[in-house]
Amino acid sequence: AQSVAQPEDQVNVAEGNPLTVKCTYSVSGNPYLFWYVQYPNRGLQFLLKYITGDNLVKGSYGFEAEFNKSQTSFHLKKPSALVSDSALYFCAVKRDDKIIFGKGTRLHILP
Amino acid sequence: GAGVSQSPSNKVTEKGKDVELRCDPISGHTALYWYRQRLGQGLEFLIYFQGNSAPDKSGLPSDRFSAERTGESVSTLTIQRTQQEDSAVYLCASSLARVPYNEQFFGPGTRLTVL
Repeated sequence: AQSVAQPEDQVNVAEGNPLTVKCTYSVSGNPYLFWYVQYPNRGLQFLLKYITGDNLVKGSYGFEAEFNKSQTSFHLKKPSALVSDSALYFCAVKRDDKIIFGKGTRLHILP
Repeated sequence: GAGVSQSPSNKVTEKGKDVELRCDPISGHTALYWYRQRLGQGLEFLIYFQGNSAPDKSGLPSDRFSAERTGESVSTLTIQRTQQEDSAVYLCASSLARVPYNEQFFGPGTRLTVL
């Protein structure tokens, strides 16, 4: 059963504009949610996580994510995109004792 | 300190051959994970090790895949009788303890190509 979904294969945003990368989850109980980024020719890097507490989580490189329980979403956001944000972004959720990753969303920031 | 390292970075092999992929986790990290990333796909969980507990092998796709870990150090992923569909990037990650409280640190991956 799919535990995390990233509905967009690719997102294009102009530099300086706000960006959103979407993620929805489907696990029982309280979800533990993560965002990772994969820059070209580099390994995956942790961005942020939601365990409990405030619904707005702040992470690395100016990114933040908003947990919305009613919509079962955990969208990644940034107020002003940089060209250097262009990368592959993965949403992930804990299911049982494993971390399950989405298929990824490729973010293109256009100069 | 040093991050997670993996070797080789690239491996090209012929169908039917066995391959061994290595992962050196960050020192002190008790949890170690293997994932597979096919071209254009997400990360597919394969196996994880946590301390001295029995590994969770639930993600291994077939009995041709196996993995070992010596204590809390290096791990090897072995694929026997490789098939073309095994071509992928194999990623290793480690963390201080079992998730969810600690993020995973990923290695650069081993790109496996089966001809």
